Amino acid sequence: DTAVSQTPKYLVTQMGNDKSIKCEQNLGHDTMYWYKQDSKKFLKIMFSYNNKELIINETVPNRFSPKSPDKAHLNLHINSLELGDSAVYFCASSQADRRSYEQYFGPGTRLTVT
Amino acid sequence: SQELEQSPQSLIVQEGKNLTINCTSSKTLYGLYWYKQKYGEGLIFLMMLQKGGEEKSHEKITAKLDEKKQQSSLHITASQPSHAGIYLCGADRGGAQKLVFGQGTRLTINP
Repeated sequence: DTAVSQTPKYLVTQMGNDKSIKCEQNLGHDTMYWYKQDSKKFLKIMFSYNNKELIINETVPNRFSPKSPDKAHLNLHINSLELGDSAVYFCASSQADRRSYEQYFGPGTRLTVT
Repeated sequence: SQELEQSPQSLIVQEGKNLTINCTSSKTLYGLYWYKQKYGEGLIFLMMLQKGGEEKSHEKITAKLDEKKQQSSLHITASQPSHAGIYLCGADRGGAQKLVFGQGTRLTINP
């Protein structure tokens, strides 16, 4: 059973297009995240949602718009794609707990903008 | 500069050898997390350390957090091909409900 799933796994598109990446978790967690991993493998948080509410937005361009229809889903929509958006995007989830922020990651979506 | 610095950035070892990866923070760590990433896959949680001086082991992997809670090491004993991948340390800054990650260490195991 897949805990955190993302679709699509690969996405190749042209500059200027709009695309979405979907994420679903079946762990019953109340917090979900989007991370971006660039070509140098730096992994940086973009957004965090807790119970469908945005709690972290790390100075991400407003072309990126996350949407959480329910606790189990956090989708990422990107408008007017740019070359610099090419990266691997990871979704993750966790259960908000003061003792631990152990996060479960999806397999990633490799986005290539041409 | 990165909040978390990992060293080395890349490591190639002979199968069966021991190795250590370090993670250093410029700030006190409330929690330190070690993850492993295989190519084309997501991150797999390995261990979490919270207390100064804490040490945890799982199979042949041991992680330690120093007393000052600013440095952690990941030690692999008798490395195997299955240990190959990218190891990332992540830090919990306390109350922010997010992790900041080091740049990763790429581990290659030669037969």
